[in-house]
Amino acid sequence: DAGVTQSPTHLIKTRGQQVTLRCSPKSGHDTVSWYQQALGQGPQFIFQYYEEEERQRGNFPDRFSGHQFPNYSSELNVNALLLGDSALYLCASRPSGANVLTFGAGSRLTVL
Amino acid sequence: QKEVEQNSGPLSVPEGAIASLNCTYSDRGSQSFFWYRQYSGKSPELIMSIYSNGDKEDGRFTAQLNKASQYVSLLIRDSQPSDSATYLCAVNRGNNAGNMLTFGGGTRLMVKP
Repeated sequence: DAGVTQSPTHLIKTRGQQVTLRCSPKSGHDTVSWYQQALGQGPQFIFQYYEEEERQRGNFPDRFSGHQFPNYSSELNVNALLLGDSALYLCASRPSGANVLTFGAGSRLTVL
Repeated sequence: QKEVEQNSGPLSVPEGAIASLNCTYSDRGSQSFFWYRQYSGKSPELIMSIYSNGDKEDGRFTAQLNKASQYVSLLIRDSQPSDSATYLCAVNRGNNAGNMLTFGGGTRLMVKP
């Protein structure tokens, strides 16, 4: 049983570019959250998707947007990249009503 | 004041000793508390969850919660070198961990053989 899978694992972009990160939740999970983890810091909540809608959002600008598809997979889009967007982006999933998050391995974004 | 605070460490303990990791939080409405372990370059892995005041034990791990003091801790007994990792404390306001989790910065634990 595959867990949470994320792609790509690593990518390098330049300032001003746009990036799309992808996440497939664990089988049986329908709720997906995204977190940003800068080097040496704890993860910060970006947003959560359930039933293809954004349900909660953390303190991130509108440059960060997302989407959830009917198969529960999700995308995180970041526009107008800044150097400070360099981080590990973690996707986490859970079944609705459950209280355990399963994290993916993350996508490491470097912005030059 | 950060919402969830942890000493960044590193906390160094000898193999076989008890490691004590501490976390304080500022939101009195927090109801759910979690400890995650994160090995270097890997994703966080849930170790313990605790919702009520007192102690909760699971194998070599014990989580302790004191809501009056807004304090949660993790004890690791018989520490092993494989326990060397960063330990993240996380809290949320609901009983459902799927709601927004607020993480501390993590404490790096080093267990020396």
